[in-house]
Amino acid sequence: GQQVMQIPQYQHVQEGEDFTTYCNSSTTLSNIQWYKQRPGGHPVFLIQLVKSGEVKKQKRLTFQFGEAKKNSSLHITATQTTDVGTYFCAGGGSTLGRLYFGRGTQLTVWP
Amino acid sequence: DTEVTQTPKHLVMGMTNKKSLKCEQHMGHRAMYWYKQKAKKPPELMFVYSYEKLSINESVPSRFSPECPNSSLLNLHLHALQPEDSALYLCASSQAPGFSRPGANVLTFGAGSRLTVL
Repeated sequence: GQQVMQIPQYQHVQEGEDFTTYCNSSTTLSNIQWYKQRPGGHPVFLIQLVKSGEVKKQKRLTFQFGEAKKNSSLHITATQTTDVGTYFCAGGGSTLGRLYFGRGTQLTVWP
Repeated sequence: DTEVTQTPKHLVMGMTNKKSLKCEQHMGHRAMYWYKQKAKKPPELMFVYSYEKLSINESVPSRFSPECPNSSLLNLHLHALQPEDSALYLCASSQAPGFSRPGANVLTFGAGSRLTVL
């Protein structure tokens, strides 16, 4: 079945270092979404990418959607302790109502 | 009002109990979801209601029974659960079930109901 692979599973960085997480799908996605879940919290929507090759920025966060709409990345520049949490990508396929979640990347930031 | 409200926040139940989880949204969203999340895992889809009709059941055991009384409410009835059913149960909603337009299938999650089955 359709899957979205996400790496790495864990990332530990010093505050101020950059961070990147990658997602890859076996099939073309209609859109990809990114969510952040803080420890003890619930997933919160960050962004949606829909166009081939799309790049969007939110302050220190840069999101990319690949040309083939099969891969995506989230890059955080100069991490801060407030960036701690698990980042999930979720791809939309052809089935209504179903988003395919990656396994998430748990980011730890040391001060 | 841009949030999804779930009650209770915490629930402890025995294997013979019957309980219900409740979810409410007032964003006019027409798709509502139940997800199950275990520690350090992604949310796992259980059920999708689209325009108040059950559209997806991910082969969930019958001890979980969803109900959508109206477009704003979603319940999950629990009966004869097993200890391995202990998890965070997340309700979510979206404008529509599919990617009919940008933003339509973006999920707004509730804070979750943390369930412990003894």
